Amino acid sequence: QKEVEQNSGPLSVPEGAIASLNCTYSDRGSQSFFWYRQYSGKSPELIMFIYSNGDKEDGRFTAQLNKASQYVSLLIRDSQPSDSATYLCAVSRSGGSNYKLTFGKGTLLTVNP
Amino acid sequence: GAGVSQSPSNKVTEKGKDVELRCDPISGHTALYWYRQRLGQGLEFLIYFQGNSAPDKSGLPSDRFSAERTGESVSTLTIQRTQQEDSAVYLCASSSFLGSYNEQFFGPGTRLTVL
Repeated sequence: QKEVEQNSGPLSVPEGAIASLNCTYSDRGSQSFFWYRQYSGKSPELIMFIYSNGDKEDGRFTAQLNKASQYVSLLIRDSQPSDSATYLCAVSRSGGSNYKLTFGKGTLLTVNP
Repeated sequence: GAGVSQSPSNKVTEKGKDVELRCDPISGHTALYWYRQRLGQGLEFLIYFQGNSAPDKSGLPSDRFSAERTGESVSTLTIQRTQQEDSAVYLCASSSFLGSYNEQFFGPGTRLTVL
């Protein structure tokens, strides 16, 4: 079983729709959860992090965490073509991100104008 | 500089040669990480440095891989006797050690191609 699993996609949504990205993890000791966005040929950039069960909203982005189900998701509202990228889910055992991250393979999102 | 820098941006080498990759972290960041990303894959942790503590080398795939960091500055990742399966983008990230949350900032990566 892979440590962090994501659907590879591609996930295609029309502009203005909600994009839902999902991630499951196997290590119950995981404490910190991150979503990175990676444009083709570029390095990853952090867009959301979450530590506690429930929802965390930041602008058009909402991260959801359910530790009992070992599940974390990212919702992107009012999707824009500029949101088209690969979204990487990452988890860490430590309380902060100052430790190694374990990444999923990423989900390719395409937002169609 | 304002961000993490890495050099070279691209490296093409022949199988069996040694290569050295360089990372300059953000000034003041005490933590430095190396990751590898193979084509179509997620990032794979290699090694982690934190200040003067012993590095976490648990992700290094073989003894052909080694890394050094002097204090809180530049780090070099060395791959000896390169193999074709070493072809990947090698990403460096750094983070500060202050506060309860420390974002890892990634450099642009070095694309290594082993022929």
